[in-house]
Amino acid sequence: SQKIEQNSEALNIQEGKTATLTCNYTNYSPAYLQWYRQDPGRGPVFLLLIRENEKEKRKERLKVTFDTTLKQSLFHITASQPADSATYLCALDMSGATNKLIFGTGTLLAVQP
Amino acid sequence: DGGITQSPKYLFRKEGQNVTLSCEQNLNHDAMYWYRQDPGQGLRLIYYSQIVNDFQKGDIAEGYSVSREKKESFPLTVTSAQKNPTAFYLCASSRSGATSINYGYTFGSGTRLTVV
Repeated sequence: SQKIEQNSEALNIQEGKTATLTCNYTNYSPAYLQWYRQDPGRGPVFLLLIRENEKEKRKERLKVTFDTTLKQSLFHITASQPADSATYLCALDMSGATNKLIFGTGTLLAVQP
Repeated sequence: DGGITQSPKYLFRKEGQNVTLSCEQNLNHDAMYWYRQDPGQGLRLIYYSQIVNDFQKGDIAEGYSVSREKKESFPLTVTSAQKNPTAFYLCASSRSGATSINYGYTFGSGTRLTVV
């Protein structure tokens, strides 16, 4: 079965630096890969989606890359701010029908002022 | 503003009781989902519904039941058969159609269920 691994449970960085979060998967490449932000006690919020035939996607300070050879997606937050502190989840959509996302366990990002 | 409302935010259940978690959306989304989140684990799919009066089991459906009588509502019942129900439960919805993938899922704020 498909497995997802997100790098270290927690990542601490200084304000202004670039945060890089990793999402690795096994077996087959998904049709789509999504990234969500989750704050404590809240539901996840959709951030970005990247398709299997796309190498990179950007949205403001966010950048996502997708390497189907390495079976890996990287999520970057540039010029990080303390308000970016949250848990970030990656999710795989194997079918492209968005009816069964598989979520990773998430990486807790802490941006220190 | 459109969104998903889950209630209650906190719920306590005694051993052997059934409880029902509410999920209502006014986004006009066709698809709705229930996930369970436990510490150190990713979200796990319990049930999903792509259309009214139809739903499918997810990966961990045992001990749970759902109904989808209205497009806006997708309640989840945690039955006494669920042996470890203490968890954070999340309801989500999504659009359908060719462009739906661009928007991801919209989640509610969750219900934290504790067995006492």
